[in-house]
Amino acid sequence: AQSVTQPDIHITVSEGASLELRCNYSYGATPYLFWYVQSPGQGLQLLLKYFSGDTLVQGIKGFEAEFKRSQSSFNLRKPSVHWSDAAEYFCAVGAGNAGNMLTFGGGTRLMVKP
Amino acid sequence: GAVVSQHPSRVICKSGTSVKIECRSLDFQATTMFWYRQFPKQSLMLMATSNEGSKATYEQGVEKDKFLINHASLTLSTLTVTSAHPEDSSFYICSASSLTGELFFGEGSRLTVL
Repeated sequence: AQSVTQPDIHITVSEGASLELRCNYSYGATPYLFWYVQSPGQGLQLLLKYFSGDTLVQGIKGFEAEFKRSQSSFNLRKPSVHWSDAAEYFCAVGAGNAGNMLTFGGGTRLMVKP
Repeated sequence: GAVVSQHPSRVICKSGTSVKIECRSLDFQATTMFWYRQFPKQSLMLMATSNEGSKATYEQGVEKDKFLINHASLTLSTLTVTSAHPEDSSFYICSASSLTGELFFGEGSRLTVL
């Protein structure tokens, strides 16, 4: 069975600083990988996804993620964080025909200092 | 873009009553819908997968008689929490997969059982 680990439960960065959120996955085949963001009390917004091809994936809001098969990782990065980026971030691995049956990591709560 | 709507967004009920949550794909046909549960400050856990016109597939540990799922049309899936108890209080989120395999999440429904 697939699993996802987000080692950092909380991260605090200063506004304007760079950000990297870690994600490690376990999956028997080539994974479908996703990053979602969730604001308090709301649903999920897709930031980016990896299915195949270029291992560096560009997403919305200036986020990117890099798939590294050798490390079973799919870390999320942003060069300069904005206060509005404060939220909960979930990494997920997808199974099923279209990779839409998702297993989520535990989430990382991002706080941004002014 | 594609929209998935959940209703109600918040519901409070008395212990022992049943509650129905709807998940609608507003502008596309959803061959498959997924139901997730999220406890406070925790990740999303897949409860079940529903395909239009067939019985839902439940994840291990999820009581199918407790959480009734109906996917009667390509745009609507319902989750009924039967005889709800306080421990069923949670945030329930659905996602819908389009015919092209794209996945969209609803905004979630917060259930509070008194």
